[in-house]
Amino acid sequence: DGGITQSPKYLFRKEGQNVTLSCEQNLNHDAMYWYRQDPGQGLRLIYYSQIVNDFQKGDIAEGYSVSREKKESFPLTVTSAQKNPTAFYLCASSIAPWRTTYNEQFFGPGTRLTVL
Amino acid sequence: QKEVEQNSGPLSVPEGAIASLNCTYSDRGSQSFFWYRQYSGKSPELIMFIYSNGDKEDGRFTAQLNKASQYVSLLIRDSQPSDSATYLCAVNMVGTGTASKLTFGTGTRLQVTL
Repeated sequence: DGGITQSPKYLFRKEGQNVTLSCEQNLNHDAMYWYRQDPGQGLRLIYYSQIVNDFQKGDIAEGYSVSREKKESFPLTVTSAQKNPTAFYLCASSIAPWRTTYNEQFFGPGTRLTVL
Repeated sequence: QKEVEQNSGPLSVPEGAIASLNCTYSDRGSQSFFWYRQYSGKSPELIMFIYSNGDKEDGRFTAQLNKASQYVSLLIRDSQPSDSATYLCAVNMVGTGTASKLTFGTGTRLQVTL
């Protein structure tokens, strides 16, 4: 089955610790994205990558880092510098923007991070 | 001014009625528009997208776009209790410098009552 997987589903972290969230897709999509969702708020873009070995900051990149070494994988690290990391983290992917006018993004199941 | 605005709701409609969800956007150059459904605790699921003025129908769902008024809507006919969810409007805004970024509204919560 083609799709996007995220792990773990739930993650608990102590203050001051870095933690890495996994995102893998087998849709052969070029572009991948990380969003954060807080209660009662829309999705906010953290980082995105349109091709391997390249990525750009989104609207709220401070305190986060990413890598894109493989087309299928786009892990997100939440560092201790992120002041308010408790949130629902969503990974998405799409066909490369230059291949389509519409940029339909498809989402993984999400990781719920709680900082204790 | 928010870039993509939606009424947070809840919008309550009886079963079998038409639910009308609305979204306005600020960037006049926006090219494509998306509706996602999000059940509580789950990730968003793409329902429809539209890029031309007018209506686009898919089953019980109709997306409507009016670029002159910067307005996009989603109609759900014969609403079912299973349609109860938050509906997110997303816009591909040209002005962001790249065609790959979507800007999301905060969503409208729909409740379909028996």
